[in-house]
Amino acid sequence: KAGVTQTPRYLIKTRGQQVTLSCSPISGHRSVSWYQQTPGQGLQFLFEYFSETQRNKGNFPGRFSGRQFSNSRSEMNVSTLELGDSALYLCASSLGGVTPGNTIYFGEGSWLTVV
Amino acid sequence: DQQVKQNSPSLSVQEGRISILNCDYTNSMFDYFLWYKKYPAEGPTFLISISSIKDKNEDGRFTVFLNKSAKHLSLHIVPSQPGDSAVYFCAARDLSGNTPLVFGKGTRLSVIA
Repeated sequence: KAGVTQTPRYLIKTRGQQVTLSCSPISGHRSVSWYQQTPGQGLQFLFEYFSETQRNKGNFPGRFSGRQFSNSRSEMNVSTLELGDSALYLCASSLGGVTPGNTIYFGEGSWLTVV
Repeated sequence: DQQVKQNSPSLSVQEGRISILNCDYTNSMFDYFLWYKKYPAEGPTFLISISSIKDKNEDGRFTVFLNKSAKHLSLHIVPSQPGDSAVYFCAARDLSGNTPLVFGKGTRLSVIA
């Protein structure tokens, strides 16, 4: 069973540009969440999608957006990149819904460097 | 306000001994807790979980203990191995699964041979 797949793994962008990251969840998983990890800050929740609808949103500016497609694949977009957006962006998938104790599985992440 | 706290940024343990990683939470709505292990440049790997109806869950060398009244959980690794050296994250959510997973800032475990 394939795991969570994120692309690209590494990318370098210039301040002011925008970037799109992609995530393919585990087959059958309908919930996709995105997290940002920066040194010393742990994993900060960005947003969660379930059945193409944004279910939860973290405390990030509107430059961060996402969407989910009918096949559960998800993309996140960051516009007008700032140096502080340099981070590891992690996608996680789970069955979602109200099944108790859903385990959440992570992809390997996309390393974004803004210069 | 940090809802999940891992107060020890780092921990060093001799190979073969017990590693104990601690986690405290403040949100009384949390009733499902998970531990993840993370190597540099990789995504977190799920280790073990526990729901609030239990006070202990065991999987091989890993055991998680939950003290609901103290809002405290701990991960025990016995015996510790050099390959266990990584950052360990504690995470929590409510059982419905409708709220995001909230993570602590992690504890870096170093197992010394």
